[in-house]
Amino acid sequence: AQSVTQPDIHITVSEGASLELRCNYSYGATPYLFWYVQSPGQGLQLLLKYFSGDTLVQGIKGFEAEFKRSQSSFNLRKPSVHWSDAAEYFCAARGSTLGRLYFGRGTQLTVWP
Amino acid sequence: EAQVTQNPRYLITVTGKKLTVTCSQNMNHEYMSWYRQDPGLGLRQIYYSMNVEVTDKGDVPEGYKVSRKEKRNFPLILESPSPNQTSLYFCASTRQGASSGANVLTFGAGSRLTVL
Repeated sequence: AQSVTQPDIHITVSEGASLELRCNYSYGATPYLFWYVQSPGQGLQLLLKYFSGDTLVQGIKGFEAEFKRSQSSFNLRKPSVHWSDAAEYFCAARGSTLGRLYFGRGTQLTVWP
Repeated sequence: EAQVTQNPRYLITVTGKKLTVTCSQNMNHEYMSWYRQDPGLGLRQIYYSMNVEVTDKGDVPEGYKVSRKEKRNFPLILESPSPNQTSLYFCASTRQGASSGANVLTFGAGSRLTVL
């Protein structure tokens, strides 16, 4: 079965520090990959996506992610975290079955001032 | 404004009392889907619809029904709600195809349902 794994349930970083959130997917071919962010009490907002082409994708709010086929990973990065980045982050993948979208369990990010 | 609208946003109900959560989008999207979000489990897909009159099961369809009679609406029906359906529900839509913006979900604001 297709699945998305986010190994880190909770990450705490200091403001200004760099950030990397991990995401692994299980799927034979290249899926469509997404990162969404959910602020407290809010819906989900797309940060970035990868469908094909350049494996390093840029998103909103200074985030980027790199698709690594050999590692089945799509990790999210930000060079310098801001307090407003505190939120829950979800990785998602769409596989071969149109319409089926799989989410990871989420990573809660806390930012210390 | 392009959006997905869910109602109600909050609902407390009792076991067995049928309820419907409505979802409407104004973007002429072909694809719509329902998810439930539970702590530690992320979002799990309940049902999805590729177009009018075309629906299919996601990961957790038990206890839910959907219909897609019109392109803009995709209601989620709980015929006999139970406490294990207490959750935060999200509706989402997108257009299909290869154009820019396709396959990127637009989410509603969520509906928090409590079943006593």
